[in-house]
Order: sequence, then structure tokens, then C-alpha cells
Amino acid sequence: NAGVTQTPKFQVLKTGQSMTLQCAQDMNHNSMYWYRQDPGMGLRLIYYSASEGTTDKGEVPNGYNVSRLNKREFSLRLESAAPSQTSVYFCASSERRVSGTEAFFGQGTRLTVV
Amino acid sequence: GQQLNQSPQSMFIQEGEDVSMNCTSSSIFNTWLWYKQDPGEGPVLLIALYKAGELTSNGRLTAQFGITRKDSFLNISASIPSDVGIYFCAGQLSGTYKYIFGTGTRLKVLA
Repeated sequence: NAGVTQTPKFQVLKTGQSMTLQCAQDMNHNSMYWYRQDPGMGLRLIYYSASEGTTDKGEVPNGYNVSRLNKREFSLRLESAAPSQTSVYFCASSERRVSGTEAFFGQGTRLTVV
Repeated sequence: GQQLNQSPQSMFIQEGEDVSMNCTSSSIFNTWLWYKQDPGEGPVLLIALYKAGELTSNGRLTAQFGITRKDSFLNISASIPSDVGIYFCAGQLSGTYKYIFGTGTRLKVLA
């Protein structure tokens, strides 16, 4: 059971470089999410996709873009990386039910911007 | 940003003791989730709660969905060294697909 798979696991970028974080899930979930985790801050929502073809901003979307490529894949792009984007990024997926459901997480991508 | 108030922030306990932690918010949630995160890993789901007043157990873990739908607690009974980690609550905002996370409770168990 792969669940939610993120690539890469680690990345170091120079300020101003761009990169795309990849996420794929094999649970046939409709909804997918990108969070960042900073020390002492818990997880903060960057963007989410309630279903294929839709994306919405979360709490901290500035400096990021997303693409819901298909039902399985949801990518996060940093167009011009900044040191403030040094963080651990987690992708998650869940079934699309407003009435409530569980979210499952990937292993994370540890990004350092120097 | 919007985050849940989770307490305590950290706790040291002796092996065998019971542990309690809770999350509160001013917002109403239709789902409460409790996760555990080990160093270098993603959060792993422990317990999911869907109805106000619901009490659910998973082994030594018990969690409850508050009657007001604005809070939840997690109890761990007879703690063991492998319970060490960070515990997060998460709530799914009513009427949305968004999950909001608490700031975490760091648990350390002394053998």
C-alpha cells in the first residue's frame, strides 16, 4: 500500500530557483492538500483541491502555485524560491465528503532555500 | 493563520502514566482527527471522530468529540516509551473540505 507518495524527499535550492514538488495518491481520493510545517507552528494549509479540476487557496498561498494534473496527482510549484520557504512540505489526500472524513499524509519533502 | 489551540505544548511523563491533551477552537468542526508524528515522518492517523459526543478508542488511545463541536481530547493510558512523538489534532471545518491543525503536543516518556 503506497498511499500518498511525495518526491523528492530532500531538496536544497538557491534563492530565486524554481522547482516543483510532486505528490501522487493511489487511494482514489477526490481531495488533495499541500501543507507546510515549520518548527512550533503545526501544519498550515497552502493550497487544496477538493476534486479534480478545482484548486483553492489555503492559509499561506503566497509564493506557491499548484496543479491538479489528474485525480491521482497534485503538484506544488515554487516559482522563485525564498529562504522563508525553507520548511517541510506535506501532501495529503482524503475522500470528498463535506460531512467529514480522514486525511492521509505522505512522508514529506524537506526543502532548504539558501 | 487559523490554527487550533492545543495543550499542553509538551509534557514529560513516567512510563505507565496516563496522558491527556486537548484542542479547542472558536469554530465548529464536523470531523476531529488525531495524528502522531515521529521525527522525519509524516503524520499518521490515530483516531477519527465524526459526531458530537462521540467517544472512540484505538487500543490504549481514547478520543472524544466535544458536544459543542468546538473541542476534542485525546487520552493515552499506561504510556510506554514508543508513545514518544508529537501529537496533532486536526478539525475539518464545517461545510468545507479544509483541515485545520493544532500546534502539537510533544510527548516524552521517561522509562
